[in-house]
Amino acid sequence: QKEVEQNSGPLSVPEGAIASLNCTYSDRVSQSFFWYRQYSGKSPELIMSIYSNGDKEDGRFTAQLNKASQYVSLLIRDSQPSDSATYLCAVKFPGSARQLTFGSGTQLTVLP
Amino acid sequence: EAQVTQNPRYLITVTGKKLTVTCSQNMNHEYMSWYRQDPGLGLRQIYYSMNVEVTDKGDVPEGYKVSRKEKRNFPLILESPSPNQTSLYFCASTLAAGSWGEQFFGPGTRLTVL
Repeated sequence: QKEVEQNSGPLSVPEGAIASLNCTYSDRVSQSFFWYRQYSGKSPELIMSIYSNGDKEDGRFTAQLNKASQYVSLLIRDSQPSDSATYLCAVKFPGSARQLTFGSGTQLTVLP
Repeated sequence: EAQVTQNPRYLITVTGKKLTVTCSQNMNHEYMSWYRQDPGLGLRQIYYSMNVEVTDKGDVPEGYKVSRKEKRNFPLILESPSPNQTSLYFCASTLAAGSWGEQFFGPGTRLTVL
């Protein structure tokens, strides 16, 4: 069974702090990992993708991947109230080349 | 404007009454999918389509049908809806193979089956 696990939260951080969102997945040979953001009442939107071990930075967002530990994380630096949303981790598992498996999401609240 | 559109956005119906949710994209994307989103369960794929006349089951296909007669359209059909199909439904599209993770989602259809 292909699984993607996230802590559902809610996670609350003060404005300006670093928010850390975590995700684990079940298949060691997975190659493609994605973070989507979903505001309340809206559809998910892709914010980061990562394919190699290590860190990938895009503005205030950093995705971190550790394939040996089957762990991917998203760091949001200098968190803003506008970052308050649910963050979905998604994995493309081998053998399901045309499907993404999503985690249930972590709800983040950034407190002013 | 590049977008994925869905209609209707909200629908309340009764058990057994056939319904269709339409999905259309204007980006010339090859791949399209339908997902349902339920609290605590995340997004689960219902069906996907790799191109015109090519569809395949996702993780939760029971009770649903799809068709892909044109590249831009991918309707979701519930032949005999049941209350357990009450959910938030999203259509999504992706340009092509290799970019499968970069999905563009429609605005969602909230379906209630009484």
